[in-house]
Amino acid sequence: DTGVSQNPRHKITKRGQNVTFRCDPISEHNRLYWYRQTLGQGPEFLTYFQNEAQLEKSRLLSDRFSAERPKGSFSTLEIQRTEQGDSAMYLCASSWNTGELFFGEGSRLTVL
Amino acid sequence: QKEVEQNSGPLSVPEGAIASLNCTYSDRGSQSFFWYRQYSGKSPELIMSIYSNGDKEDGRFTAQLNKASQYVSLLIRDSQPSDSATYLCVEDGGNKLVFGAGTILRVKS
Repeated sequence: DTGVSQNPRHKITKRGQNVTFRCDPISEHNRLYWYRQTLGQGPEFLTYFQNEAQLEKSRLLSDRFSAERPKGSFSTLEIQRTEQGDSAMYLCASSWNTGELFFGEGSRLTVL
Repeated sequence: QKEVEQNSGPLSVPEGAIASLNCTYSDRGSQSFFWYRQYSGKSPELIMSIYSNGDKEDGRFTAQLNKASQYVSLLIRDSQPSDSATYLCVEDGGNKLVFGAGTILRVKS
């Protein structure tokens, strides 16, 4: 069990560029979540996968955000046409059940 | 829309004291709650879960749930400097967990 792995750990990009983050969950976990966290706030839910199916997506998430989990294994989160307001820590978590989420170390996005 | 409200703190307590962390939630129908701890620069980790009214104890930690008042609390006995962190009150939102903004706890030696 190597834990949840996220890459890259830090991404600096210019406004308008596209970025993609990858998450490798704990292999036995069928649930995968993406959250976003900004300074002084708790994690904000973005989207949830059970196996390869995306079962829920936050209403707050704009169409510039898309996530996939092909074959129910790793997941990617893409942000198109980045804006400065997208700057945040993007957290991936996996679990067997809703209560105990195992988080990765996060991918920090800085949009200049 | 489920919401969890917490006092952001910081809450400062001396070493060895009891730290009391509280939150309220909006959805009267919510059944399950969790406390996550987040050290500075790290990701959240689960420390307690509570599903029924009353108290649940685990070592130095006691979680309390009062569904009538829509109130959840976490007591940390014999607080240690290593307990200094942000404590996130979390509500089970079905397919997701709904996190509060967190309370910063500082334990002074």
